[in-house]
Amino acid sequence: DVKVTQSSRYLVKRTGEKVFLECVQDMDHENMFWYRQDPGLGLRLIYFSYDVKMKEKGDIPEGYSVSREKKERFSLILESASTNQTSMYLCASSLPEGAGNTIYFGEGSWLTVV
Amino acid sequence: SQQGEEDPQALSIQEGENATMNCSYKTSINNLQWYRQNSGRGLVHLILIRSNEREKHSGRLRVTLDTSKKSSSLLITASRAADTASYFCATKDSSYKLIFGSGTRLLVRP
Repeated sequence: DVKVTQSSRYLVKRTGEKVFLECVQDMDHENMFWYRQDPGLGLRLIYFSYDVKMKEKGDIPEGYSVSREKKERFSLILESASTNQTSMYLCASSLPEGAGNTIYFGEGSWLTVV
Repeated sequence: SQQGEEDPQALSIQEGENATMNCSYKTSINNLQWYRQNSGRGLVHLILIRSNEREKHSGRLRVTLDTSKKSSSLLITASRAADTASYFCATKDSSYKLIFGSGTRLLVRP
């Protein structure tokens, strides 16, 4: 089974702090994603990576950056956390285009910014 | 921008009844997928239907797709209390993006 592991399930951070959310997948997937999920808004794509060191902005990249130094690891960085970034963050991975369409999700990281 | 929109937003049924959820979308798609999310957890893929398919079955799940109406439905037959969860449709075009709707919350009462 594919496993996508998010290192922190619950975090509380202060406004202005730099926050790192880590994600590791064990299926050698090329694609990795970061979504945020808010009530009534569904899942919104923050960033996408299709290869090591490659990234593309999703629909809501403002206030976030990402790092993919190794194929299995995709990190989401909040440079200066703000209260409107309080949310559930979901990491996901998948095979490349044409090889499969299913996205596999981690269990989520609940971030509260106070 | 949201592509898929589920309807209803919330659904409460008795165990043993069927549950039907609908999804509408706006643009052309390659496929449409349904995911399930238990409270506070990640999403789990349920079923995928391609744009050239009209109906697909998987166990107690039945998915239909009407590309002329840009809509899909998910039917869960003989529901169980364990089916209580949120259900999301997600649409995929020719790009890498999978765009999710805001989901239907299903409650199955024992």
